Amino acid sequence: DVKVTQSSRYLVKRTGEKVFLECVQDMDHENMFWYRQDPGLGLRLIYFSYDVKMKEKGDIPEGYSVSREKKERFSLILESASTNQTSMYLCASSLVYERSSYEQYFGPGTRLTVT
Amino acid sequence: AQRVTQPEKLLSVFKGAPVELKCNYSYSGSPELFWYVQYSRQRLQLLLRHISRESIKGFTADLNKGETSFHLKKPFAQEEDSAMYYCALSGQSSASKIIFGSGTRLSIRP
Repeated sequence: DVKVTQSSRYLVKRTGEKVFLECVQDMDHENMFWYRQDPGLGLRLIYFSYDVKMKEKGDIPEGYSVSREKKERFSLILESASTNQTSMYLCASSLVYERSSYEQYFGPGTRLTVT
Repeated sequence: AQRVTQPEKLLSVFKGAPVELKCNYSYSGSPELFWYVQYSRQRLQLLLRHISRESIKGFTADLNKGETSFHLKKPFAQEEDSAMYYCALSGQSSASKIIFGSGTRLSIRP
């Protein structure tokens, strides 16, 4: 059973703070993803990583950076948090070579509030 | 451009009534289509994918390439079907990324 965990369920930070969101998966998946989930906008991809130290920008990378030093861990960094980054953040992982399907396994989410 | 459109933000039906959640997509090629579901206080999870042609929890979805649609259907709604549903697309040229629609909240009235 795939397990994707996120370091915090709820987080409250002040404007301008540097924020770290951590995600760990235990199924040796190559791909890892960070999304933000907002009502009416669905899931929007921030960044994804297909291998250690590899990353690609998603649809909304501005204001974010990522780090993947180990295969099982993918970190999302908000360099200087702003109120418009208040959102639910979802981490996901998937296999690369499972050509018949591209199922992503999601973590429980981190609800970040920036005040 | 790749796009997934779910025209309904909210769909409310009575228990026992048929359900159809609409999904249209835009993709030049042969995409793979999925439905993901998020029940209250649970994580987002895969419900079904078109390539499997299976029925999960009574739900089915047929890929209509002519109409570029992948509507989710269930003949008789149950209260436990209340959830947020996302249609999603993956292009074979970019096997890793999935594009999600904006979601439809399904509410089943008793």
